[in-house]
Amino acid sequence: AQSVTQLGSHVSVSEGALVLLRCNYSSSVPPYLFWYVQYPNQGLQLLLKYTTGATLVKGINGFEAEFKKSETSFHLTKPSAHMSDAAEYFCAVTPSGGYQKVTFGTGTKLQVIP
Amino acid sequence: EAGVAQSPRYKIIEKRQSVAFWCNPISGHATLYWYQQILGQGPKLLIQFQNNGVVDDSQLPKDRFSAERLKGVDSTLKIQPAKLEDSAVYLCASSPGSVGETQYFGPGTRLLVL
Repeated sequence: AQSVTQLGSHVSVSEGALVLLRCNYSSSVPPYLFWYVQYPNQGLQLLLKYTTGATLVKGINGFEAEFKKSETSFHLTKPSAHMSDAAEYFCAVTPSGGYQKVTFGTGTKLQVIP
Repeated sequence: EAGVAQSPRYKIIEKRQSVAFWCNPISGHATLYWYQQILGQGPKLLIQFQNNGVVDDSQLPKDRFSAERLKGVDSTLKIQPAKLEDSAVYLCASSPGSVGETQYFGPGTRLLVL
């Protein structure tokens, strides 16, 4: 069985500051990892995903994440926060190979302070 | 390309009543998912269809929840009878089909059970 832990249900950063949202996972086999963003009253939208290959993954809106197997982590970063980044962010994991359902973390709500 | 459509967007019912939600996935997407998102939590998979067959319904409370995907296109999720703890956002998502592929989410149906 797989699981996802997102540290910090709420994160506040100043506009222009570094954004760091933490995600740790557990999986008995190599995982596929995802970050989704949810804006108020909207569905989830994919930011980026890791399946195979390069461990540093670039996504939309300037976000990136690095898969670190030794740390079982997939933290999301953005060098400079923008007001429009205020949303809730979900990390998700599914084991590679064959069917397994996607497991979502509990989410981190990002607040950007002007 | 049209996104995932869901209706209604909002629903208020009293406990013990029944309710139904409708989802139309992206054209050509073989896999359809229903998630339950309770306030403050990440989405929890209720049921996953591959075409019109059920792949995973292990977390669907089958004594009160039912879902169908006739003809392998749109889908209906029903709750009968509703309980207070069913108050949540019900998200529908679709994907082309393979493990590790991006899921595309609809805007969700927000259900309040009084």
